Amino acid sequence: GQQVMQIPQYQHVQEGEDFTTYCNSSTTLSNIQWYKQRPGGHPVFLIQLVKSGEVKKQKRLTFQFGEAKKNSSLHITATQTTDVGTYFCAQGSIYSGGSNYKLTFGKGTLLTVNP
Amino acid sequence: SAVISQKPSRDICQRGTSLTIQCQVDSQVTMMFWYRQQPGQSLTLIATANQGSEATYESGFVIDKFPISRPNLTFSTLTVSNMSPEDSSIYLCSVMVSYNEQFFGPGTRLTVL
Repeated sequence: GQQVMQIPQYQHVQEGEDFTTYCNSSTTLSNIQWYKQRPGGHPVFLIQLVKSGEVKKQKRLTFQFGEAKKNSSLHITATQTTDVGTYFCAQGSIYSGGSNYKLTFGKGTLLTVNP
Repeated sequence: SAVISQKPSRDICQRGTSLTIQCQVDSQVTMMFWYRQQPGQSLTLIATANQGSEATYESGFVIDKFPISRPNLTFSTLTVSNMSPEDSSIYLCSVMVSYNEQFFGPGTRLTVL
């Protein structure tokens, strides 16, 4: 599967500050998904982006897919303590003639928020 | 959506033994996956559990070490065989309802002494 590089690895912010995590690939991505994993929890799907230049919003979260479909970002406005967790990007790919599917995860960005 | 349960939620095992992890889904799903997540790390796909045929393993994972069963569309098991401390990890099953999102189980935290 295609490799997706995610930065930063860690981010600590004061409550109310903004936060952004970036996902980059050297090759064109067919899609990008974002997941959130709370400490001690399991990954939870946030969104999928498939179109070049796509921008989607979920309340304080803004997701972008680059024009070249090689990068994506997740931006959180005015962070809250409930935003704490690890945010993963992931690339879904179909292979073996369409009979198999694989989700390749980035390394994730751990967000901590100081109240 | 899908609700997934896993058993056991955690276990502590002796090296050389095997542990079978169960994954139960509340609806029939075609695609079911097993992941490993080491503490503070990302998720690595072990294999895709196929109903009615052998699992499809990713590079670095073999059937002898991680045998998988998928007897029907709502259930799968993953066995971690001949365990060593390096197998200590969280094992998660997940299902894909459409090509949009995967739902993950709560995970099984395994410690091998």
